[in-house]
Formats: sequence, structure tokens, C-alpha cells
Amino acid sequence: DAGVIQSPRHEVTEMGQEVTLRCKPISGHNSLFWYRQTMMRGLELLIYFNNNVPIDDSGMPEDRFSAKMPNASFSTLKIQPSEPRDSAVYFCASSPVKSGSGELFFGEGSRLTVL
Amino acid sequence: KQEVTQIPAALSVPEGENLVLNCSFTDSAIYNLQWFRQDPGKGLTSLLLIQSSQREQTSGRLNASLDKSSGRSTLYIAASQPGDSATYLCAVYTGGFKTIFGAGTRLFVKA
Repeated sequence: DAGVIQSPRHEVTEMGQEVTLRCKPISGHNSLFWYRQTMMRGLELLIYFNNNVPIDDSGMPEDRFSAKMPNASFSTLKIQPSEPRDSAVYFCASSPVKSGSGELFFGEGSRLTVL
Repeated sequence: KQEVTQIPAALSVPEGENLVLNCSFTDSAIYNLQWFRQDPGKGLTSLLLIQSSQREQTSGRLNASLDKSSGRSTLYIAASQPGDSATYLCAVYTGGFKTIFGAGTRLFVKA
């Protein structure tokens, strides 16, 4: 079984450039989460979707961040324009349908470096 | 507001030792608690999930316990090996798609 698939694994870009991170959740999972991990702040929830609908984006740090989930098998997290303080590892996670499950399955992450 | 704390932040043990990692949470109204392992540069791998109605879960050399009333969970690792070296995170699911993570315990097992 394929797990959560993220791309790219590593991204190095210059300040001001647009960055798009991609995620394919586990088939059959109906919830998808974007997290950011840094040494200083640990894991932070940015946004989550249920049945492709954004439920809570209160964790998105600024309007420069946006996320979409056009279908059940694909999501993107976009940063435009990127800034050095956005450097972090961005994780996508999905969760199965079962009520009250809350069990999370993570991808390998996308390590973003903004110069 | 739910807060999750993990103690110690880092731990170094000799190979073969049994060890316990601790996780505490402030609000006992949880649906489940999940323990993860994270290797450097990698994602989080789920180790054990304990439902709120359960007291413990076991997988191989790992045993996780849950005491909801006291807001505590422990992850017991038997006969530790160098390959167990990683960061271990606990996370509580409070419903409504909310999962709260601890900061993790960084474990180093010396050969």
C-alpha cells in the first residue's frame, strides 16, 4: 500500500519566488492535513480538509499561504511570495474515515529552504 | 486549552536497557493518543494508537499505556537497540480534527 506521497522532497528557492508543494493522500482517507515543522516551534497545523473542503485554515500564517484540494487524491500548498522565514519542513498527513479515529498517517515531508 | 508535554526532552541510554518515555496532557477529554517515531530528515511513523477506552497497546518491544484520568501516557521500550535512536512524539486527538503534539523526546541508544 502506498503511503502519503509528497513532492518535492527538497526545494531551494530565492526570496520572492512562488513555491508549490504537492500531496497525494492515502486512497480512501477523507481528511488531509498540512503541517509545518521547525526546530523553534515544533509541529504546527496549517490547514485541514475534510472531503476536499477546507475546514479550518486558522493556522495559515499569512495571506501568502494558500492551499487547495481539487479532488480526493491531490492537494497543494502554495507560498507566494516566499520569504526566508518560511524555511521549514512541510508535512502532509491523511486520516481515515472512521468516526473518532483521528489516526494520522504522514508523508516524508518537503524540506523548503528560502534564500 | 489542551497542552501536551513530553519529558525528558532528550535521553541517552546504553544498548539493552529498558526505558520509559513520558507524555502528559492537560485535558482528559481525548478520543485517542498516538505515539510516533521520527528519524532525522524523515516523516512521522505511527507506532501505536491507544483509544480513550483502552489502557494499553503493545507492538513488539513497544508498550504504550494510557491513564486518561491523570492525563498521562508512557511508551515503554524493552531491550533498546541503536536502531531505536530517533525522536518520539506523542499526540492527543481531541475530536473535531484537532490533534495536539508534544515537542518530542530525542532518544540515543549507545552501542
